[in-house]
Amino acid sequence: QKEVEQDPGPLSVPEGAIVSLNCTYSNSAFQYFMWYRQYSRKGPELLMYTYSSGNKEDGRFTAQVDKSSKYISLFIRDSQPSDSATYLCAIWGAGSYQLTFGKGTKLSVIP
Amino acid sequence: EAQVTQNPRYLITVTGKKLTVTCSQNMNHEYMSWYRQDPGLGLRQIYYSMNVEVTDKGDVPEGYKVSRKEKRNFPLILESPSPNQTSLYFCASRGSGGNTGELFFGEGSRLTVL
Repeated sequence: QKEVEQDPGPLSVPEGAIVSLNCTYSNSAFQYFMWYRQYSRKGPELLMYTYSSGNKEDGRFTAQVDKSSKYISLFIRDSQPSDSATYLCAIWGAGSYQLTFGKGTKLSVIP
Repeated sequence: EAQVTQNPRYLITVTGKKLTVTCSQNMNHEYMSWYRQDPGLGLRQIYYSMNVEVTDKGDVPEGYKVSRKEKRNFPLILESPSPNQTSLYFCASRGSGGNTGELFFGEGSRLTVL
C-alpha cells in the first residue's frame, strides 16, 4: 500500500460548486498535513497546512483531517475558474524533512 | 523577493550528452531537494541535501548526481541522460525553523532527452 493515495481525477465542476478533494494515508506517525496548489507550468505552492485532527478554514478553503481514519480533505466553496489547478496533498512526520506527496488531483472549474 | 531559481527552464538534449540543471535559493535555507514530476506518477524525490556537503538519495536517484558546495546552490547533474529521464524537474528548499514543512519550489525545468 502506498503511503499516500490521492485520486488523480481529472475533476471538472461548474463555477460556484463546492469541491471536495481527498487523500488517504497509511502511516499513523504522520503528524503534519498540507495541501499544495500547482498551476500549469508552475511549481507547487503551499495552500494550507494543519497539524491536528479537525478543520482549518482560510477564506473559501477548508482543510479537514481525520487521524482516526487516516483521511484528509480539502474543500473549496464557491469555486472559481482561478481555482483550476492541480492540488497535491503532502504529509510529513515530526523530526523528518521528508514530505510524502500524493499524486495530485487536476481540477477544472468551468465558467 | 524570496525565490528558488532553476535554469534552464526548457532543454532538449540527446542521449549521453552530459547536462546540469542549476538551482539557487536566496532564503538561506539549509534543506534543498530535487524532484521529478511525471504523469500518473506524481512528484518523486531524486536527491536531497540537509546542508552544505550533506546529500542523500531520495526515491529515484539512479542516473543523477548532485553536489552542495554552497548553501544557496544545489545543481542536478545528468552524466549520461537517457530518454527515460525526460521529465519535469523541480528544485525546492526549506528552512530549519518552524513546523509547517513548507517547501518552496522553483518554476520547473522541462527536460526532453532524444
